[in-house]
Amino acid sequence: DGGITQSPKYLFRKEGQNVTLSCEQNLNHDAMYWYRQDPGQGLRLIYYSQIVNDFQKGDIAEGYSVSREKKESFPLTVTSAQKNPTAFYLCASSTRQATEAFFGQGTRLTVV
Amino acid sequence: QQQVKQSPQSLIVQKGGISIINCAYENTAFDYFPWYQQFPGKGPALLIAIRPDVSEKKEGRFTISFNKSAKQFSLHIMDSQPGDSATYFCAASITGNQFYFGTGTSLTVIP
Repeated sequence: DGGITQSPKYLFRKEGQNVTLSCEQNLNHDAMYWYRQDPGQGLRLIYYSQIVNDFQKGDIAEGYSVSREKKESFPLTVTSAQKNPTAFYLCASSTRQATEAFFGQGTRLTVV
Repeated sequence: QQQVKQSPQSLIVQKGGISIINCAYENTAFDYFPWYQQFPGKGPALLIAIRPDVSEKKEGRFTISFNKSAKQFSLHIMDSQPGDSATYFCAASITGNQFYFGTGTSLTVIP
């Protein structure tokens, strides 16, 4: 069954802790993306990667970090430098031609 | 700077009515315009998409109208059903590059 798997679905962390969100795809897509979704603000791009070992900052990269060591995996770390990390995080992937973006089911991160 | 502007933010429609969501863009290099549907707690899923060489695309009850000169495109949902209640996002991209999403429209279809 092809698709994108994000884990965990819900994540709770204490303020000041780093946390890593997992994103795995078996669609053989070259490009992968991380978005943050907040009510009324749509989907804002955090980071994207079009090839292994390369990634670019999106519009709101501050306080986040990523790695792309394997084509299938694109983990996102929310660091303690992120001022307001509580949000719904979505991972997506697409072909290099960037037509359809396939999304995972999201991770809801709550920082207390 | 919002690359794609979407309106309205929320929309309430009676069952059987027509839902219309509008989007506008500035970058004339965009060459792909998809619409995504998102249910609560789920990731968005592609609903329908259009390229700027056509003015309209229809798939079932869903139609995209595209006005290249006005740099606007819209989603029309005919015979709206309660099951269509969701958040809809328009998007734009340049082939091979990142997607830019609108801010979303929360659609509620009243039975």
